[in-house]
Amino acid sequence: AQSVTQLGSHVSVSEGALVLLRCNYSSSVPPYLFWYVQYPNQGLQLLLKYTSAATLVKGINGFEAEFKKSETSFHLTKPSAHMSDAAEYFCAVSEGDTDKLIFGTGTRLQVFP
Amino acid sequence: DSGVTQTPKHLITATGQRVTLRCSPRSGDLSVYWYQQSLDQGLQFLIQYYNGEERAKGNILERFSAQQFPDLHSELNLSSLELGDSALYFCASSVRGRASTDTQYFGPGTRLTVL
Repeated sequence: AQSVTQLGSHVSVSEGALVLLRCNYSSSVPPYLFWYVQYPNQGLQLLLKYTSAATLVKGINGFEAEFKKSETSFHLTKPSAHMSDAAEYFCAVSEGDTDKLIFGTGTRLQVFP
Repeated sequence: DSGVTQTPKHLITATGQRVTLRCSPRSGDLSVYWYQQSLDQGLQFLIQYYNGEERAKGNILERFSAQQFPDLHSELNLSSLELGDSALYFCASSVRGRASTDTQYFGPGTRLTVL
């Protein structure tokens, strides 16, 4: 079965600093990978997704992620954090034949002024 | 606003009771998914429907059931509720239910509290 592991349940950065949220996947077949963001008391919003078209995926709000097959990773980055980026971020993998999303445990991002 | 609506927003009930959560997908979306988010289990896939038919099942308890109606809205029925069923229940929808081409759009969720 496919799975994703998010390293670090909490990440804190200063405003303007690099954001790096880590995600490693486990899959026996080429996966579809996703990053979602959840703001307090809201649903999940898709940031970006990898579907094998390009290894560097650009998403909304200045986020991007790079698919690295050799490292089975799909880390999320943003060059400069904003206060508004404070939220919980979930990495997810899709099981191809059913298309259900398998989520990681989430990483809470705090941004300090 | 994702275009997916869920009602009610909050639900407080007692153990042993039965509740129904409702979801209206985005206009044009044929596939509906239900997820449960709890502190101890995280975000878990429960069940998926496509155009009225069940397509995939996840960690859904036998006490829970769902259906998708001809107008494509979906309902999740939770019965014989236990304290551990307290969670945020999300509905998501996509056009055809294919991750390679579609995006799952999530509703704002229904927060269920079982006392």
